[in-house]
Amino acid sequence: DAGVIQSPRHEVTEMGQEVTLRCKPISGHDYLFWYRQTMMRGLELLIYFNNNVPIDDSGMPEDRFSAKMPNASFSTLKIQPSEPRDSAVYFCASSAPRGVAGELFFGEGSRLTVL
Amino acid sequence: RKEVEQDPGPFNVPEGATVAFNCTYSNSASQSFFWYRQDCRKEPKLLMSVYSSGNEDGRFTAQLNRASQYISLLIRDSKLSDSATYLCVVNMGSNYQLIWGAGTKLIIKP
Repeated sequence: DAGVIQSPRHEVTEMGQEVTLRCKPISGHDYLFWYRQTMMRGLELLIYFNNNVPIDDSGMPEDRFSAKMPNASFSTLKIQPSEPRDSAVYFCASSAPRGVAGELFFGEGSRLTVL
Repeated sequence: RKEVEQDPGPFNVPEGATVAFNCTYSNSASQSFFWYRQDCRKEPKLLMSVYSSGNEDGRFTAQLNRASQYISLLIRDSKLSDSATYLCVVNMGSNYQLIWGAGTKLIIKP
């Protein structure tokens, strides 16, 4: 079975540019999470969805960040405008409806560098 | 005080040795607990859930101590492939109120 699929795997962009990260969760999973990981701050939850509805976006740093989930098989995280401090690895994860609350399946991540 | 705390390490351990590390949590209402493993430049992967009665999976044993508010992970007969960062995760409620520790880095040496 395919796991969580993220794209792009790597992105290098310049400050001020728009960045869009994409995620396809595991089929049948109804929870989707966006995390950010840096050496300084570790793993931080940005937002999560249940059945395509945002449940908790309190971790979204500021208005420059937005996330959407238009359907059960696709989500995007957008940063506009990007800043150097946004450089991090962004992980998408999904979880099954009757799985253990805490059992997340992560994608391989999108490594973002903002110059 | 952080909600979930781990010794960052690194723990440098010879191959074949037993190693254990703990994770403390601050909220006594925490409901479920997990250990994840993250290899260098890879995504986190669930290693095991931690049950109240403790649980074992091969060379790995997880324990929960609610009175002292910590969970532990014991690795016996360590292998080179066990080298990774081990992340402690605490679920504060019935939904996904997951709090992640910063991780403990383990290095197994030949």
